[in-house]
Amino acid sequence: IAGITQAPTSQILAAGRRMTLRCTQDMRHNAMYWYRQDLGLGLRLIHYSNTAGTTGKGEVPDGYSVSRANTDDFPLTLASAVPSQTSVYFCASSDTASTSGGTDTQYFGPGTRLTVL
Amino acid sequence: GQNIDQPTEMTATEGAIVQINCTYQTSGFNGLFWYQQHAGEAPTFLSYNVLDGLEEKGRFSSFLSRSKGYSYLLLKELQMKDSASYLCAVRDGDYKLSFGAGTTVTVRA
Repeated sequence: IAGITQAPTSQILAAGRRMTLRCTQDMRHNAMYWYRQDLGLGLRLIHYSNTAGTTGKGEVPDGYSVSRANTDDFPLTLASAVPSQTSVYFCASSDTASTSGGTDTQYFGPGTRLTVL
Repeated sequence: GQNIDQPTEMTATEGAIVQINCTYQTSGFNGLFWYQQHAGEAPTFLSYNVLDGLEEKGRFSSFLSRSKGYSYLLLKELQMKDSASYLCAVRDGDYKLSFGAGTTVTVRA
């Protein structure tokens, strides 16, 4: 069982270029999330999806877009990258986004280290 | 939104005990999580508290007081492999996680 995979592992990108970070999970989790992690700031939520076909904005959504065409995949797109988007990006998934009970623990992928020059 | 505070760094000796405190202010509360993150790796789930009290899992324990907006993670019998960042995360009423900046624990021989 792979869990969550992300691609690429790392990328150096010129400012202004378009970039899609890929995330795939094989746990049949219905909720998925994208975070960025910057030194001293912790993990911040960019976008999320409670179930296939729906998406929502997190704390820092500007400059990013997502889609959720199916349960397994949740790509994150930077339409025109800027240096402030240099960060480590983590994708996560959980069994359900809201429930009357249960832990709904989020499990994280290995991350993508993105540098925008 | 959430305001989550935890110390930036802590150092302890192998075999000792370390307690990492986390305080939070929240507009809604649906549980508190602790994650461990080794350098260059993904966060991994350690513990979950939704009711007041202590949850014990082997060498790791986590405590929650909802009335005080306070939690701690207790690491006992420290090992070198416990050197990592420990992230406190609070789940709000919309079931979204907000993370503290993390506490880097260094275990020395």
